[in-house]
Amino acid sequence: GAGVSQTPSNKVTEKGKYVELRCDPISGHTALYWYRQSLGQGPEFLIYFQGTGAADDSGLPNDRFFAVRPEGSVSTLKIQRTERGDSAVYLCASSSTGQGSYNEQFFGPGTRLTVL
Amino acid sequence: DAKTTQPNSMESNEEEPVHLPCNHSTISGTDYIHWYRQLPSQGPEYVIHGLTSNVNNRMASLAIAEDRKSSTLILHRATLRDAAVYYCILSRVSDYKLSFGAGTTVTVRA
Repeated sequence: GAGVSQTPSNKVTEKGKYVELRCDPISGHTALYWYRQSLGQGPEFLIYFQGTGAADDSGLPNDRFFAVRPEGSVSTLKIQRTERGDSAVYLCASSSTGQGSYNEQFFGPGTRLTVL
Repeated sequence: DAKTTQPNSMESNEEEPVHLPCNHSTISGTDYIHWYRQLPSQGPEYVIHGLTSNVNNRMASLAIAEDRKSSTLILHRATLRDAAVYYCILSRVSDYKLSFGAGTTVTVRA
């Protein structure tokens, strides 16, 4: 079946611009996660959705970052007034449930964001 | 959060076994040990997880020390496709997010 997909695969923008990154999770997965990965480091948690609501947004670095999941499936990560330090690979993952020992997360290929 | 310690890198020859160590001396009784790997230019993928007993699946085996303060991921016959960054992660049943460290970069020589 189809895995997690993310669009665009690459996004180049200028400092100060607004960007939206999209994630299509695996059908039926109630939990959705966003992570950010800087070069040479492991992914860092940003936000977790259970259904339509953001259950934990403690990883969002500041109020320029916002994410939505209005119908409990597709999610959009929005970044306002982008800065060069926002350049990274943004990863989306989904899982059938949010918790439990078998909470295997399925990751998408990521969106590489470059802020010039 | 309990932390894990992994070597930065390891090298292996194709078709030989690879043993990837992970130290987690502050592990709690409810922490599961998960392994994910990330192939170049891809998102991480689940490999295996366990609590106390050794585990086997089609991808790998997980050997857990009796005191649970360390574990070893075993790739029985490395292939070129196994070249990736391998992450050892602790999480509780109540956890939802994964806390990745820097992982171990595995290089497989043909």
